[in-house]
Amino acid sequence: QKEVEQNSGPLSVPEGAIASLNCTYSDRGSQSFFWYRQYSGKSPELIMFIYSNGDKEDGRFTAQLNKASQYVSLLIRDSQPSDSATYLCAVNKGGSQGNLIFGKGTKLSVKP
Amino acid sequence: KAGVTQTPRYLIKTRGQQVTLSCSPISGHRSVSWYQQTPGQGLQFLFEYFSETQRNKGNFPGRFSGRQFSNSRSEMNVSTLELGDSALYLCASSGRESYNEQFFGPGTRLTVL
Repeated sequence: QKEVEQNSGPLSVPEGAIASLNCTYSDRGSQSFFWYRQYSGKSPELIMFIYSNGDKEDGRFTAQLNKASQYVSLLIRDSQPSDSATYLCAVNKGGSQGNLIFGKGTKLSVKP
Repeated sequence: KAGVTQTPRYLIKTRGQQVTLSCSPISGHRSVSWYQQTPGQGLQFLFEYFSETQRNKGNFPGRFSGRQFSNSRSEMNVSTLELGDSALYLCASSGRESYNEQFFGPGTRLTVL
């Protein structure tokens, strides 16, 4: 089992719809969770992070964490064509483990 | 605040050569991590430096090495380049204040011929 798993997509949604991106992780000791957006040919850009069970909202983005189910998701409301990118889920085990473990990403396409 | 900078942005080398990549973190950040990104393997962790010490290391051969200077700038070196080392090398800096948010530089695109 991979440490961080994401559906590779592509996920296609119409403009204005809600895009739902999902991620599961294997290590129950994981402490913080991150969503990055990566446009083609660019480096990853941090969108949000979450560390407590529940929802965290920032503008059109909502991150959801369920540690019991080892599941984290990202909702993008009112999706725009400019949201078309690959979304990477990353997990940090905390403590002295400073590295992030990344999923392979979900490619999102928002159609006008 | 200026972001993470990496130099050079592009490199073309031949097999057997060595290469050194440089990364300057966000001002005040003391942790620098390096990642390799390839289409097949995605983003994979190479190593992390904090206060000039390597704190964590990923599962890469010894040909990959790095260091960090007292001003937090970091370099990574790859010796005896192989075709499979062609990748985007990303550096990320973190203030490690709480939850280790990492901010990436633009990356160095290495092509090995």
